Amino acid sequence: DAGITQSPRHKVTETGTPVTLRCHQTENHRYMYWYRQDPGHGLRLIHYSYGVKDTDKGEVSDGYSVSRSKTEDFLLTLESATSSQTSVYFCAITSGTLNTGELFFGEGSRLTVL
Amino acid sequence: QQQVKQSPQSLIVQKGGISIINCAYENTAFDYFPWYQQFPGKGPALLIAIRPDVSEKKEGRFTISFNKSAKQFSLHIMDSQPGDSATYFCAARRISGSARQLTFGSGTQLTVLP
Repeated sequence: DAGITQSPRHKVTETGTPVTLRCHQTENHRYMYWYRQDPGHGLRLIHYSYGVKDTDKGEVSDGYSVSRSKTEDFLLTLESATSSQTSVYFCAITSGTLNTGELFFGEGSRLTVL
Repeated sequence: QQQVKQSPQSLIVQKGGISIINCAYENTAFDYFPWYQQFPGKGPALLIAIRPDVSEKKEGRFTISFNKSAKQFSLHIMDSQPGDSATYFCAARRISGSARQLTFGSGTQLTVLP
């Protein structure tokens, strides 16, 4: 199994509170991603990183920010959580080599915003 | 905007039958087309993948058929087993400079009846 750890795995919070999800990898992969998974929508990209301090937006980035100060850690922050951000969040990593595009996923963080 | 369209949303197959899941895409810049399998409570995991210069790839009971002119690809699961019951996602990768983005379909929940 790829060395990816997400924390927390489960969180319940209230509308308007800040939330930070952490993804930690031990593979030294260059690329890290945050996806959210919702019924009927599959996996949608929130933000991704292609190196330390190099990040970019995905298709559903509004209301989210990210930071990557070290290769192994990629943080996803909801500055002021809303009920529409209730979801399962997955971190994924890849080496990014052209010959293989495999993403390795963490086990997910289930967030409930009341 | 859903760049990868997946169907059906759910599929029920008898043990030993053939499961077929279809995907279509619009962006001709995609260069890699993987399928991911996800069991409840787990992150998705790569099942099989294909490049657009190949029309078919087979790995055990799993086959990807790829039609570049129609911009469609499909997953066939032969001799389907109850253990194949999971959610399946097709995906497509686009490379742009340093970016490596994987766009997912909306998923198909497969149930294989014993």
